[in-house]
Amino acid sequence: GAGVSQSPSNKVTEKGKDVELRCDPISGHTALYWYRQSLGQGLEFLIYFQGNSAPDKSGLPSDRFSAERTGGSVSTLTIQRTQQEDSAVYLCASSLPVPQPQGAHPDEQYFGPGTRLTVT
Amino acid sequence: AQTVTQSQPEMSVQEAETVTLSCTYDTSESDYYLFWYKQPPSRQMILVIRQEAYKQQNATENRFSVNFQKAAKSFSLKISDSQLGDAAMYFCALNNAGNMLTFGGGTRLMVKP
Repeated sequence: GAGVSQSPSNKVTEKGKDVELRCDPISGHTALYWYRQSLGQGLEFLIYFQGNSAPDKSGLPSDRFSAERTGGSVSTLTIQRTQQEDSAVYLCASSLPVPQPQGAHPDEQYFGPGTRLTVT
Repeated sequence: AQTVTQSQPEMSVQEAETVTLSCTYDTSESDYYLFWYKQPPSRQMILVIRQEAYKQQNATENRFSVNFQKAAKSFSLKISDSQLGDAAMYFCALNNAGNMLTFGGGTRLMVKP
């Protein structure tokens, strides 16, 4: 079946402009994650959705960053007034529902190919 | 807070030889999961191997195996019979809440023919 898809693959934008990054998770995966990977670095957690709600927004670096998810499927990460330090690869992942209670076996996260954002 | 550290920014191995990538971590939880992910130039993160902390037996997946030392909070990845296709960035990751993964900084593995 289809994996996680992300669009656009690459995005170049001018400083100060807003950008929207899209993630289509695997069908049936109710958990969705956004990560940021700066050049030569590991992945940094941004936000997590269970269905349409985001119980954990702790990783969003500033109030310029926001994300939403509609219909329990597609998610959009929006960065307002982009800055050069926002340049990075933004990766999305999805997984089957996180089991309750927390601490039970986490299911594998399947990653998309990422969106490379360049702010000039 | 949990942390994951990969102390080897780059490693090199001769084709068909064995290489070990190091990872140490810190968490206050007793129940957690550790992963190794591979990221080729395509940027696609691929799960290589996973280890449940409550299991004493080290996980193995074909040519890939881990050395999990819970007391030392160490989780190294051994790649046997290295192949050219193994060349990639390798990331160690920790999950202890069933939610987000905490990643190390990565190790770039080069395979020499």
